[in-house]
Amino acid sequence: QSVLTQPPSVSEAPGQRVTISCTGSSSNIGAGYDVHWYQQLPGTAPKLLIYGNFIRPSGVPDRFSGSKSGTSASLAITGLQAEDEADYYCQSFDSRLSGSVVFGGGTKLTVL
Amino acid sequence: EVQLVESGGGLVKPGGSLRLSCAASGFTFSNYTMNWVRQAPGRGLEWVSSISSTSTYIYYADSLKGRFTISRDNAKNSLYLQMDSLRAEDTAVYYCARDLATMIIVIDDAFDIWGQGTVVTVSS
Repeated sequence: QSVLTQPPSVSEAPGQRVTISCTGSSSNIGAGYDVHWYQQLPGTAPKLLIYGNFIRPSGVPDRFSGSKSGTSASLAITGLQAEDEADYYCQSFDSRLSGSVVFGGGTKLTVL
Repeated sequence: EVQLVESGGGLVKPGGSLRLSCAASGFTFSNYTMNWVRQAPGRGLEWVSSISSTSTYIYYADSLKGRFTISRDNAKNSLYLQMDSLRAEDTAVYYCARDLATMIIVIDDAFDIWGQGTVVTVSS
């Protein structure tokens, strides 16, 4: 069981908007640690999608956005495209564990 | 081109050992904290270990219980993971990944560059 909780799957039609939640606690997201998001296409390595809660690396479309509030964070994708179908992971740091980077369990996005 | 290339994976029997390597190119390796992340078949990402740029700070996931050792050789632009007493549950793709920040330690940093991964299978 992951320290950060994500829904196992979400689905939406092309062109629509979808959000993926990442729920933590007072020892990780709620403690003020940054949340980052990764996209993993089938058979490939993860790719950094959002860092520092809401910052997009160069080359990431502005259809992707991140937010954080309290002990949770969210990834929003607007104008869904077929190529957005992938697994998405959130990441943060947990102060209860020595040097511990923590990931969410991942969310499979299906574009209907 | 900024690149990380893992090697050293393979099939090993339970209780055996394996040493993974990660060759870095296209950036000043010695300026960055480096990490290992693994992904078991059909499962999510799991952080394994991190090592600061000068090897001063080293961290491991509690679940590893001292079986893994991370190291680096900045002269060779290489990161390593020595894995001992391997178990079936260590079967995974192992990725090396670079911290986003350079020249400083950021405990909640993102990983901006990932290798393609190397497959480790622990089975008799």
